[in-house]
Amino acid sequence: GAGVSQSPRYKVAKRGQDVALRCDPISGHVSLFWYQQALGQGPEFLTYFQNEAQLDKSGLPSDRFFAERPEGSVSTLKIQRTQQEDSAVYLCASSPRQGAYGYTFGSGTRLTVV
Amino acid sequence: GESVGLHLPTLSVQEGDNSIINCAYSNSASDYFIWYKQESGKGPQFIIDIRSNMDKRQGQRVTVLLNKTVKHLSLQIAATQPGDSAVYFCAGTGTYKYIFGTGTRLKVLA
Repeated sequence: GAGVSQSPRYKVAKRGQDVALRCDPISGHVSLFWYQQALGQGPEFLTYFQNEAQLDKSGLPSDRFFAERPEGSVSTLKIQRTQQEDSAVYLCASSPRQGAYGYTFGSGTRLTVV
Repeated sequence: GESVGLHLPTLSVQEGDNSIINCAYSNSASDYFIWYKQESGKGPQFIIDIRSNMDKRQGQRVTVLLNKTVKHLSLQIAATQPGDSAVYFCAGTGTYKYIFGTGTRLKVLA
């Protein structure tokens, strides 16, 4: 597609439920990033993939958060045993090169934990 | 759609006036900066970028100024239009991850 596609757009989860958020990057983009955006805040870095390799996961808030990109294309962010503090918009971005240049963000998935 | 930035600083400008949005950054290692525009329910959209070896860069209706001495960025929007209403973030990076500043909500008054 023309842009970064994320699904679902909205997700409501009961506390304790597991969720999976999907990101379809722009075709051919090498780098893929996940960010978390709390209400009223700027996005915060979660993790970075270069092709299928997860090079940095330092921003993942806890071991309940897990991300994968097994074939170097589609990525999934999984959150286990969701908590209310996990409520946020989860943004995916991709870039045609290594590094920070040429990011394109998706529209995000808004997760609400009730 | 959902709101982004309910409690952000707000700048209100009259349509047709120029807007100036400011941002302070703290990471001295940042050497590349971007201004993003975020509309409600959408992801951040690239506006303009600048490298640390520059102090000014102009685009179409937008100008970014960088003052490394005081770690300050500004975004100037000429002849502000209703479609410019959004939340604006600056972001800096020295590697591959962006550090975003506190956003500013721009409201354009008709």
